[in-house]
Amino acid sequence: EDKVVQSPLSLVVHEGDTVTLNCSYEVTNFRSLLWYKQEKKAPTFLFMLTSSGIEKKSGRLSSILDKKELFSILNITATQTGDSAVYLCAVGSGGTSYGKLTFGQGTILTVHP
Amino acid sequence: NAGVMQNPRHLVRRRGQEARLRCSPVKGHSHVYWYRQLPEEGLKFMVYLQKENIIDESGMPKERFSAEFPKEGPSILRIQQVVRGDSAAYFCASSATDRGSYNEQFFGPGTRLTVL
Repeated sequence: EDKVVQSPLSLVVHEGDTVTLNCSYEVTNFRSLLWYKQEKKAPTFLFMLTSSGIEKKSGRLSSILDKKELFSILNITATQTGDSAVYLCAVGSGGTSYGKLTFGQGTILTVHP
Repeated sequence: NAGVMQNPRHLVRRRGQEARLRCSPVKGHSHVYWYRQLPEEGLKFMVYLQKENIIDESGMPKERFSAEFPKEGPSILRIQQVVRGDSAAYFCASSATDRGSYNEQFFGPGTRLTVL
């Protein structure tokens, strides 16, 4: 059975801190790894990673994938209170069902002023 | 530029009633996915549909749950004879037809089902 594990489960920091969120996975027919941000509504797409070692950046957020060690990290620099959310890692698998995403349990990030 | 739309946003049902949840994908997307998020748990895959076809329903409970995505109109997730354990947030996502984009899924706002 496909498995995605995120750590830590929760994290409390102050504005301006840098955080690193971790995601490890065990899936058959790996196709991609995705990061989402979920506030009190729909998960919002952040990144999709398919190749090892290539960093994706969007403002203060960045992410990288290691397909050999089967993990990814999401970095957030100079955190702001608006970054408070649940960050979800998901892995897309192939085979007969190209679309299925397997999600981790999420990391709850709280940023205090 | 409409994203994924779901309705209703909130649905209250009594035990034994039926719940119908609707999802309209992003314009031009023909792949729809349903996920369930139970309280304090992560998102769990339920079913993957293309127009008029169920591709993967490995995450659907064997009884009471069904899904469809007709040629015209929204995708429907139907739960018959609801029980309290069905209370959850149900999210719909869609992706484009390009095989490389199957996993790049965009989510709707969810329907929060409460069973009394």
